[in-house]
Amino acid sequence: DVKVTQSSRYLVKRTGEKVFLECVQDMDHENMFWYRQDPGLGLRLIYFSYDVKMKEKGDIPEGYSVSREKKERFSLILESASTNQTSMYLCASSPGTSWYDEQFFGPGTRLTVL
Amino acid sequence: DQQVKQNSPSLSVQEGRISILNCDYTNSMFDYFLWYKKYPAEGPTFLISISSIKDKNEDGRFTVFLNKSAKHLSLHIVPSQPGDSAVYFCAASAGAQKLVFGQGTRLTINP
Repeated sequence: DVKVTQSSRYLVKRTGEKVFLECVQDMDHENMFWYRQDPGLGLRLIYFSYDVKMKEKGDIPEGYSVSREKKERFSLILESASTNQTSMYLCASSPGTSWYDEQFFGPGTRLTVL
Repeated sequence: DQQVKQNSPSLSVQEGRISILNCDYTNSMFDYFLWYKKYPAEGPTFLISISSIKDKNEDGRFTVFLNKSAKHLSLHIVPSQPGDSAVYFCAASAGAQKLVFGQGTRLTINP
């Protein structure tokens, strides 16, 4: 079974802190994604990566950066956390090069910024 | 602008009956559609998909219908079971570009 794990289920940070969200997948998938889920807005793509050290902006990259130094690990970084970044963050991976491929999601990290 | 819309935030259905979840889209370039299901405290899981060259795809109790002229798709679950209670997201892709998700519909199956 594909497994996508996220470093924390719940996280509380203060405004201005630097926040790291880690994601690891164990199925040698090429593609990895970071989404945020907000009520009434569904899932919105923040960043994605199709290869090690490669990254592409999604729909809402402002205030975020990412790092993919190893194939299995994709990190989301909030350089200076703000209250409007309070959200559920979901990491996903997929095996192929097509957006049609099924994406496998981690359980999510609920981040609260005070 | 919301290119994929699920206008019903919630739906309640009696066990054994049919559940119909709806999704509307505005981008006529969308050519592939997917449904994901999400339980609380878990990530979404893939449920079923359909290509724009088809108007129906069936997998067990789940059937997705696509009406391209109306820019509308629906997910039918027959018969509905308590384990189907979850949030359902539809998603669309245009020419193998990134997925666009709807807002989600919370389905509750009542015994």
